[in-house]
Amino acid sequence: GAVVSQHPSRVICKSGTSVKIECRSLDFQATTMFWYRQFPKQSLMLMATSNEGSKATYEQGVEKDKFLINHASLTLSTLTVTSAHPEDSSFYICSANLERQGVYEQYFGPGTRLTVT
Amino acid sequence: AQKVTQAQTEISVVEKEDVTLDCVYETRDTTYYLFWYKQPPSGELVFLIRRNSFDEQNEISGRYSWNFQKSTSSFNFTITASQVVDSAVYFCALSEWEYGNKLVFGAGTILRVKS
Repeated sequence: GAVVSQHPSRVICKSGTSVKIECRSLDFQATTMFWYRQFPKQSLMLMATSNEGSKATYEQGVEKDKFLINHASLTLSTLTVTSAHPEDSSFYICSANLERQGVYEQYFGPGTRLTVT
Repeated sequence: AQKVTQAQTEISVVEKEDVTLDCVYETRDTTYYLFWYKQPPSGELVFLIRRNSFDEQNEISGRYSWNFQKSTSSFNFTITASQVVDSAVYFCALSEWEYGNKLVFGAGTILRVKS
């Protein structure tokens, strides 16, 4: 149990276009999901916290208008990279929180590799 | 502020050697969780262990062991008799309750195990 999927796994897009990445909790409901970004050979950096039914909370330095996050249901959060540029090329990883006996466990998706040409 | 430091950027060992990956953390919270993840070339994070701040017992799981010492704010990870399949990037991470469980990751340590 506790599987998180991401779609697509890889995407290549042209500069100036928008790309949507989906994060789904397949067998559990997640009121909170997180979006992380990982540049090549670097660590994971939290971009935003996505809460079902409310606005996402963005980390300092992350452009809200560029990285649109929607958490419309308890099993789906989407990240849309608007007007993508080559510097947005990165590995995007989502995670979903599962509460078990008062403890929150975070489950990660397999990641989406975005390349902007 | 919460911070995780993995001072070792890259470690190379020969198969069957033991290797320890260091992790030092900073937090003002008294309740927190520490994690280790493995990231193979595929990119998918593999969960290895979670330890809460109230449990300082060391843990062993097969060839893996973890040493948690609050006195030095360290949570080190040892692989015994390393294997080529252990080659990956290893991340130490911290979550604090008051920050809603988001994870702060260390920079990662690249482990290369040569045959």
